[in-house]
Amino acid sequence: GESVGLHLPTLSVQEGDNSIINCAYSNSASDYFIWYKQESGKGPQFIIDIRSNMDKRQGQRVTVLLNKTVKHLSLQIAATQPGDSAVYFCAENISGANSKLTFGKGITLSVRP
Amino acid sequence: NAGVTQTPKFRILKIGQSMTLQCTQDMNHNYMYWYRQDPGMGLKLIYYSVGAGITDKGEVPNGYNVSRSTTEDFPLRLELAAPSQTSVYFCASSEPGWDGAKNIQYFGAGTRLSVL
Repeated sequence: GESVGLHLPTLSVQEGDNSIINCAYSNSASDYFIWYKQESGKGPQFIIDIRSNMDKRQGQRVTVLLNKTVKHLSLQIAATQPGDSAVYFCAENISGANSKLTFGKGITLSVRP
Repeated sequence: NAGVTQTPKFRILKIGQSMTLQCTQDMNHNYMYWYRQDPGMGLKLIYYSVGAGITDKGEVPNGYNVSRSTTEDFPLRLELAAPSQTSVYFCASSEPGWDGAKNIQYFGAGTRLSVL
């Protein structure tokens, strides 16, 4: 698999390989993080989330890793499939009354058959 | 279960025209949001609401207005459309956890607006 920061717009992977999408967040007070997938022409769709008291959380074929020391979040997709082709966004939140997400710029994942 | 529904899906406006983007949700969520997404960019928060009768500005509120008279509906109003408002607009809703941290937002399919 390949890893790339969100400052690079596109990640291209071979079908069947693992994908790693990285995100650097800026606010050390953020205590909740979430990944969204956005397919062409559609709204963002929730993939997986993680609270700051955890380092890792697994879903179906996806894993989110959180490194609070360096303020880094990653999304790992196992056995990438053509249906995984989309733009992926990370977002962060701080607990409080007016709960809002701050979104990163997004990265395009392109799966080669 | 419909989730978040946005209308219209597409719209072309002339400079100076006005319009309202509709958003309704059937999940009984208290929180609702409006975002705009420019090509190749992330989501920028325009306005949000934490409950009926309560609205607040986000990152890019200029040129827009909102109202929240019911839990279900959160319309976004453009009074004098400008080319800079050409974008894709997304509405979302959520019900944050007890501490306000966990906040899974559910999005509509978007409204694609062009101002010419």
